Amino acid sequence: DQQVKQNSPSLSVQEGRISILNCDYTNSMFDYFLWYKKYPAEGPTFLISISSIKDKNEDGRFTVFLNKSAKHLSLHIVPSQPGDSAVYFCAASGKDGGSQGNLIFGKGTKLSVKP
Amino acid sequence: EPEVTQTPSHQVTQMGQEVILRCVPISNHLYFYWYRQILGQKVEFLVSFYNNEISEKSEIFDDQFSVERPDGSNFTLKIRSTKLEDSAMYFCASSPTGPYGYTFGSGTRLTVV
Repeated sequence: DQQVKQNSPSLSVQEGRISILNCDYTNSMFDYFLWYKKYPAEGPTFLISISSIKDKNEDGRFTVFLNKSAKHLSLHIVPSQPGDSAVYFCAASGKDGGSQGNLIFGKGTKLSVKP
Repeated sequence: EPEVTQTPSHQVTQMGQEVILRCVPISNHLYFYWYRQILGQKVEFLVSFYNNEISEKSEIFDDQFSVERPDGSNFTLKIRSTKLEDSAMYFCASSPTGPYGYTFGSGTRLTVV
């Protein structure tokens, strides 16, 4: 039962171009979404998040878009840099602030940014 | 920058043995979590801990697992009798408020042989 799906296991992009990572979810009770970046042998590192009351959140080179009707979110990285090469996880939470907030993760997309 | 510290980084244990994975969460955080990632699979929630008790656990977190905050700073995950399928990376995380401001540790790679 995959509540959070990342259907592309890998993505290869040229340096300087845009990287678009996609994520779909099935549970309409999710109200908070996060993107994490993970290098081998390290824990997930928080990148950016979005609440379900918004449709866009931007932080530097990273922008997350949320389409609630389609239950779809995407992470845009512009411009992509070789240091962005990592596995990117989409995660969702069904509980608002003040609650336990366990996260449901997707399987991840391995991004390779080529110089 | 504050970080979540996990020890050991790698633990090898024999099937049937007990293991304790240790974590030092960020000091002013109130919510503590354990997650695991089996090689090649997604990161999975195990348990959340708040106010000195388990607040939520997944179906993975069966009677073989337990968590403790023995001294107000450490947060431990114990697996009583390890199985081969417990081999995974185990990540500890803490946050000040639920899903906001999560910080993950670097993980403990558990290998059961």
